[in-house]
Amino acid sequence: EIVLTQSPGTLSLSPGERATLSCRASQSVRSSYLAWYQQKPGQAPRLVIYGASARATDTPDRFSGSGSGTDFTLTISSLEPEDFAVYYCQHYGTSWSSFGQGTKLEIK
Amino acid sequence: QVQLVQSGAELKKPGASVKVSCRASGYTFIDNYIHWVRQAPGQGLEWMGWINPNSGATKYAQKFQGRVTVTRDTFINTAYMEMSSLRSDDTAVYYCARDDPIMAAALTDWGQGTLVTVSS
Repeated sequence: EIVLTQSPGTLSLSPGERATLSCRASQSVRSSYLAWYQQKPGQAPRLVIYGASARATDTPDRFSGSGSGTDFTLTISSLEPEDFAVYYCQHYGTSWSSFGQGTKLEIK
Repeated sequence: QVQLVQSGAELKKPGASVKVSCRASGYTFIDNYIHWVRQAPGQGLEWMGWINPNSGATKYAQKFQGRVTVTRDTFINTAYMEMSSLRSDDTAVYYCARDDPIMAAALTDWGQGTLVTVSS
C-alpha cells in the first residue's frame, strides 16, 4: 500500500501570499492518478486538481498542480479568503486508493 | 446536474450493523464507480472501497475487508455501504463519491455525508 505524506501539517499565510503544499508518496505513483481536494468545515471535499496538474471544473487558475514520481505539489499563487481550508492529496491505483493526512491552510 | 443524496444520520450500539444509502441522479448510474470514504471527527479522509455499478464488482481497503459490504441497486440508482460489528472508533461521517474516468478516476462528485455514531 502506498502511503501519502503531506507537509506541512498547518500552513499559516495571509491573503495575497503564495501557498505551496507538498504530497510525498512512499513509492513512485502514476501522476495520472494523483488528485487534490479542498475541504471546508462541515462540507464534503471538493476536487481541485486531477491528473497531478489538471484543474477541475470551476477551479480558479490561481491553483496549479505539479510533480511526478514520489513528489507532488499544489500551489496557490495568490491566496483569496475562500482558499483557507484543509487540502488532501489522493492517489488511485488499479484497485485501491489512499489519501494523505491533509494540510490545513489557515489565515495568519 | 449530478447529485448523490445519502441517507440520514444513524445512532448505533457497539456490535450492531449500519447500512448507508447513496442515491444517484443526473447521470447514467452504471457509467461511474461509486467510492466510499469516511472521516472520523477532527480527522482526515479514509478511503474504504468502491463498487462498479455496472458489474457489481467491488474492492475494499484491506482494513475493511470482511466488515464492509458495498452493493448497488441499478433499478433505483442507489449504492449501499453496510458495516458490521461496529465499534466506537467507527464513529465518523461516511461519504459516497462518484469517480470520473475522464478525470483520471478522481472523485468529482460527493454526497452530503452521513454521520454514523456508535455509542452504548
